[in-house]
Amino acid sequence: DADVTQTPRNRITKTGKRIMLECSQTKGHDRMYWYRQDPGLGLQLIYYSFDVKDINKGEISDGYSVSRQAQAKFSLSLESAIPNQTALYFCATSDFPPGELFFGEGSRLTVL
Amino acid sequence: AQSVTQPDIHITVSEGASLELRCNYSYGATPYLFWYVQSPGQGLQLLLKYFSGDTLVQGIKGFEAEFKRSQSSFNLRKPSVHWSDAAEYFCAVGANDYKLSFGAGTTVTVRA
Repeated sequence: DADVTQTPRNRITKTGKRIMLECSQTKGHDRMYWYRQDPGLGLQLIYYSFDVKDINKGEISDGYSVSRQAQAKFSLSLESAIPNQTALYFCATSDFPPGELFFGEGSRLTVL
Repeated sequence: AQSVTQPDIHITVSEGASLELRCNYSYGATPYLFWYVQSPGQGLQLLLKYFSGDTLVQGIKGFEAEFKRSQSSFNLRKPSVHWSDAAEYFCAVGANDYKLSFGAGTTVTVRA
C-alpha cells in the first residue's frame, strides 16, 4: 500500500457542487500539505498543517477549506466548485524540517 | 519568501546524450533544495536534495545536481539519458518555514 493515499483519484463534477478530496498517510508524519498542479505553473500550496490543531493558509487558499481529522488524515474541500478549480491535486507529508515532501499519486478534478 | 525559476519549459534530448536542467532560486539565506520527477500519471518522486555540505549531490537514477551559491543555481545533470527519463522535472526550494516552493517544471522528451 502507498504511504500517502488520495481518494478519489479522478472526479468529474458540476459547477456549484461540494467536493471533498481525502488524504491519509501511514508515514507517521505530523506535517501535511495540499498542493494544486496546473500546466505551466508547477505546484502551488493551498493549505498546510503542522499538527491536528495547526492549520495554515497557503498561496491559493481562496475557495478551499481543509480539515485535519487526525494525524494521519487531511481533507480538502471545495464548498462550491467552479471550472477554474479544474486541476490535479496532491497531498503530501513531511517529517522534520527542512521538509522533504512525500507525495500521494494525485486526485484529478474536473469541474464542468 | 523563497521562489524558484526553471528557465526551460521543454527540452528534447537524444537517448544516450547528456542532460542538464536549469534551476535558479531566490532566497536570502542558505536554502534547502530539491529536485523531483513526475512521470505521466504519477505523483512526484524525490530525485535528490541539498541541505548543506558537499555542493555536488548524487541522487537516484544516475542524476546529480550542483549547488552554486554565487549563481543561486541548483542545476540537475545526467551523463547519459535513457528513454525512461522522459518526464517532468521540478526544482523546489525550502526554508525554515517548512514549506516548499516549486518551479513551473521542465518537460523532458527523449528521442530514439
